[in-house]
Amino acid sequence: DADVTQTPRNRITKTGKRIMLECSQTKGHDRMYWYRQDPGLGLRLIYYSFDVKDINKGEISDGYSVSRQAQAKFSLSLESAIPNQTALYFCATSAAGLGQGGETQYFGPGTRLLVL
Amino acid sequence: GQNIDQPTEMTATEGAIVQINCTYQTSGFNGLFWYQQHAGEAPTFLSYNVLDGLEEKGRFSSFLSRSKGYSYLLLKELQMKDSASYLCAVKNAGNMLTFGGGTRLMVKP
Repeated sequence: DADVTQTPRNRITKTGKRIMLECSQTKGHDRMYWYRQDPGLGLRLIYYSFDVKDINKGEISDGYSVSRQAQAKFSLSLESAIPNQTALYFCATSAAGLGQGGETQYFGPGTRLLVL
Repeated sequence: GQNIDQPTEMTATEGAIVQINCTYQTSGFNGLFWYQQHAGEAPTFLSYNVLDGLEEKGRFSSFLSRSKGYSYLLLKELQMKDSASYLCAVKNAGNMLTFGGGTRLMVKP
């Protein structure tokens, strides 16, 4: 079974629609992240959360919002989708603290979003 | 801020050795990761370096020089399944990762 799951895996929506991408994890990690990936630009951080009561903006948070419903769940919303939000979206998790592995992030399978 | 550079594409032959370089400039350094990503799939962890030197893990090795802001990933005995993108990511003092654009490696027979 996958440790980090994302739903949906693919989504097509229209400009102006509100959509939600969901992420769940069974790794027991406190920290969760949302990234988007565009060709040639690598992964860019949208939002991150270090525990249920903690939400932080990343590099490119404009146009997005998040909700940390529980330790295991972290949702990303696009309030009013626009075409340049077409991208591959990844959720990731990590355990808190230092140590061997240096707080490695583990990624979900991704959600491919197309905004028309 | 942080700036991470790695080549966009590389091509190598099955059975050969390839070195993928990554240079970085950062205001705070707390480690460097390498991830492998097959097309359309999730990045998967390959290696982590925080001290200078070489870390070897099977066919893959990763090297770090903090004074030079430089790392490389060395892949030996290349296999066709090694065709993928390789992502260099630097962890800053706040424990956040900044990713490079990735290097797409094509392994040819």
